[in-house]
Amino acid sequence: GAVVSQHPSWVICKSGTSVKIECRSLDFQATTMFWYRQFPKQSLMLMATSNEGSKATYEQGVEKDKFLINHASLTLSTLTVTSAHPEDSSFYICSAGWDRSTTAYNSPLHFGNGTRLTVT
Amino acid sequence: LAKTTQPISMDSYEGQEVNITCSHNNIATNDYITWYQQFPSQGPRFIIQGYKTKVTNEVASLFIPADRKSSTLSLPRVSLSDTAVYYCLVGENTDKLIFGTGTRLQVFP
Repeated sequence: GAVVSQHPSWVICKSGTSVKIECRSLDFQATTMFWYRQFPKQSLMLMATSNEGSKATYEQGVEKDKFLINHASLTLSTLTVTSAHPEDSSFYICSAGWDRSTTAYNSPLHFGNGTRLTVT
Repeated sequence: LAKTTQPISMDSYEGQEVNITCSHNNIATNDYITWYQQFPSQGPRFIIQGYKTKVTNEVASLFIPADRKSSTLSLPRVSLSDTAVYYCLVGENTDKLIFGTGTRLQVFP
């Protein structure tokens, strides 16, 4: 089945530094990937839609200059948390699905295992 | 994007069948219904997906009435390891999915 790999699984950084999280689709191409954030005992909140070769689309209230998204290839999207602060500490999850333009197979989105970010 | 409504929590005992119902009154013609399971500190895991009637796989069944305004995830003979949060989502595949509150299932011995 489709596999989405996320790296790192956890990271601790100091306030003011930047952190990059990678999301890879291992066995399929994904023109679109999605980034979510999840706080303890809450649901996943969609942050942005990552589009291969173009700018990401951010949800309302998400700072695009703080959460930089790059989707340079059909198998890799990165989320960079810039100038991280303790309030950015959260669980970040990416997801991807089969590229509908290249396959008729109707596959649901698959999720990475998440990245636990702790900002001290 | 259809909004979904699920019970916040459910309790069950090992060996019982658990049915979690989700309401999605505004589901669109092209929307699929997908259920995910999430354990703490892990990403959601795909369980089952359907469009209409009944779908069954090795872990669950999904029942969808003709009007598609609701769906029921059925977990046969749950075990302690089925304790998790279950999310019902509707939308076209590869479209962005908005998560609702989910249902926190607690299975007791």
